[in-house]
Amino acid sequence: DTAVSQTPKYLVTQMGNDKSIKCEQNLGHDTMYWYKQDSKKFLKIMFSYNNKELIINETVPNRFSPKSPDKAHLNLHINSLELGDSAVYFCASSLGLATYEQYFGPGTRLTVT
Amino acid sequence: AQSVTQPDIHITVSEGASLELRCNYSYGATPYLFWYVQSPGQGLQLLLKYFSGDTLVQGIKGFEAEFKRSQSSFNLRKPSVHWSDAAEYFCAVGASDDYKLSFGAGTTVTVRA
Repeated sequence: DTAVSQTPKYLVTQMGNDKSIKCEQNLGHDTMYWYKQDSKKFLKIMFSYNNKELIINETVPNRFSPKSPDKAHLNLHINSLELGDSAVYFCASSLGLATYEQYFGPGTRLTVT
Repeated sequence: AQSVTQPDIHITVSEGASLELRCNYSYGATPYLFWYVQSPGQGLQLLLKYFSGDTLVQGIKGFEAEFKRSQSSFNLRKPSVHWSDAAEYFCAVGASDDYKLSFGAGTTVTVRA
C-alpha cells in the first residue's frame, strides 16, 4: 500500500490555465505539507496543515490555494499558471506538528508551456 | 531560523568504495536532523534521523551518520557503495519553534563501475 500518494504524476498545461494536484496519506498522520522542488532540486516548503488547519503559509503567490477536506487529504489548486510554476511538487505527511519525520509522496512534475 | 549547508554539490565514487557526505547546520539549540535520499524520478525516502541520545545513528541501506555538536555537523557515511546508491541526498534540519524542515541544496552522488 502506498503511504503518501499524489495524482497526477505528470501534468503538462498551458499558461493561464487552472490545475489541481491531489494528495492522500493512509498513515493516520495529522500533519500534511506541500513542497516545491525547482530545477536545481532545491526543496522549499509551501504549506502545512494540521488536522485540516493551515499552519504554515510561506511566501507563496495567492494563485496557490491548498485545501484539506479531511486530515488524510491535502490538495493544491493553482490558478492562472505561469511558466515559473514549472517544478516538481511534493506532498508529505508527519505524525504531528512537532514530529519532524516526514514521509514524502512520489511527486507531481508540472510543466507549464 | 535554522539553515543547512551541504558543501559538496556533486560526488563521484567508485562502486565498493566508501562514501561520506557533509552536512552543516545552523541552529541555536539541539536540532532534529535527517538525511533523505531521492532516486531519479522518485520522491524522498528517509535514510536516518537524529533527535537525541547516541550521536552515531544507523539508518537503512547500510548508511550511518554522526552528530557532532561542536562542529554543527551531521555527516552521512556508507562503508561500501553500490551502483544503486547513485541518487540525490538531502540533509534536513527541524527546529522546535517553527514546525518546519529546512533542506540543504542536496548532493548528487554518481557511482562509477
